[in-house]
Amino acid sequence: EVQLVESGGGLLQPGGSLRLSCAASGFTFSSYWMHWVRQVPGKGLVWVSRINTDGSSTDFADSVKGRFTISRDNAKNTLYLQMNSLRAEDTAVYYCARDPSATRGYFDLWGRGTLVTVSS
Amino acid sequence: DIQMTQSPSSLSASVGARVTITCRASQKISSYFNWYQQNPGKAPKLLISDASTLQSGVPSRFSGSGSGTDFTLTISSLQPEDSATYFCQQSYNLPYSFGQGTKLEIK
Repeated sequence: EVQLVESGGGLLQPGGSLRLSCAASGFTFSSYWMHWVRQVPGKGLVWVSRINTDGSSTDFADSVKGRFTISRDNAKNTLYLQMNSLRAEDTAVYYCARDPSATRGYFDLWGRGTLVTVSS
Repeated sequence: DIQMTQSPSSLSASVGARVTITCRASQKISSYFNWYQQNPGKAPKLLISDASTLQSGVPSRFSGSGSGTDFTLTISSLQPEDSATYFCQQSYNLPYSFGQGTKLEIK
């Protein structure tokens, strides 16, 4: 089955760190650019970060630049988001998403998301 | 950054009705534009890419149009399972951005 499964979310205090994982299956993971998108429950979608197929190129939203790192392990078919210096405003459901065309930037496969709550 | 403005923010329509949701970009984005459907507690689902390309498995009652700054999602004959929130997205420039969403309810 073609799917993405996120894990690693949880409750933590401001200033803390967390690493999210996204396990891919059913497709050739190494052929796709991958993204993280977040959503405060009940609110809109916000693009967070992207990584190219071999991990050599990454981009971030200004709101997370310098605090978050995106990486991938193509041998393990897994995408990661390392989140440091977390703030209350980082509280959201984090989705990983597949980008079938690096030049068009749309997301044709999403995981179910993992909830990150930053609160003291 | 490119801002995406969707309208309306919510609407209610009857089964069989024709429904239109619009999205306006703050600058021209050619056809780097996409529509998603999201049900409560679920991940978004890609409906239409490149402004008008219907994704495989998406019912033909969904259609997209537009180019430049103004885009439209049309549901030609509303079905009960279409009750959801719909988001537009521009993929012309980073940071990619989404509209605020349109919550569609069935009367």
